[in-house]
Amino acid sequence: QVHLVESGGGVVQPGGSLRLSCAASGFTFSAYAMHWVRQAPGRGLEWMALISFDERDIFYADSVKGRFTVSRDNSQNTVYLQMDSLKSDDSALYYCARDGSATRSEIEHWGQGALVTVSS
Amino acid sequence: YELTQSPSMSVSPGQTAKITCSGDRLEDVYTYWYQQKPGQSPVLVIFQDKKRPSGIPERFSASTSGNTATLTISGTQSSDEATYYCQAWRNNAAFFGGGTKLTVL
Repeated sequence: QVHLVESGGGVVQPGGSLRLSCAASGFTFSAYAMHWVRQAPGRGLEWMALISFDERDIFYADSVKGRFTVSRDNSQNTVYLQMDSLKSDDSALYYCARDGSATRSEIEHWGQGALVTVSS
Repeated sequence: YELTQSPSMSVSPGQTAKITCSGDRLEDVYTYWYQQKPGQSPVLVIFQDKKRPSGIPERFSASTSGNTATLTISGTQSSDEATYYCQAWRNNAAFFGGGTKLTVL
């Protein structure tokens, strides 16, 4: 059974940084692309980033390009989201999710999310 | 790239709900649909326009024509009350619709 557990959320000041981690289990992690998707309180879903199974393809939403960095460690079954230059608009629940393929298709499985609050 | 959904709709139990998603040249790409209940993570209910993942009831179906994708829930049940999001890929970025809150009453 696919299991995704996010960690690293918390409160950070505007301009600060935070790194989210997502520990995966229940599947062959190195065979799948991974996503980060966020949801501000009471709002809809907003896709953030994708990293392919082998890290050769990495894509970002325009809203975070240059500020957020996605990476993965296939030996540790973990995907990361480094968030820099954080703004109040970045406050949201951040979901780690597994793609249905090695590169890019459906967002098949979702974690429970990590809450990030950007506030002074 | 923008995907447009009606913010809300209601349906009576047992009736058919049709949730639409509009986007430029949507028929040229796959559309995906997700269900999200309050306080829960999203769940994939349709992939590649019209395929159902294992475990998703047959009452969920979908189609795409032109610029509009449609999620159909036949014989809607109270457990289907949720917000439904469409999603598509464009230029190596994923875009979600704003979501349609389905009320079953």
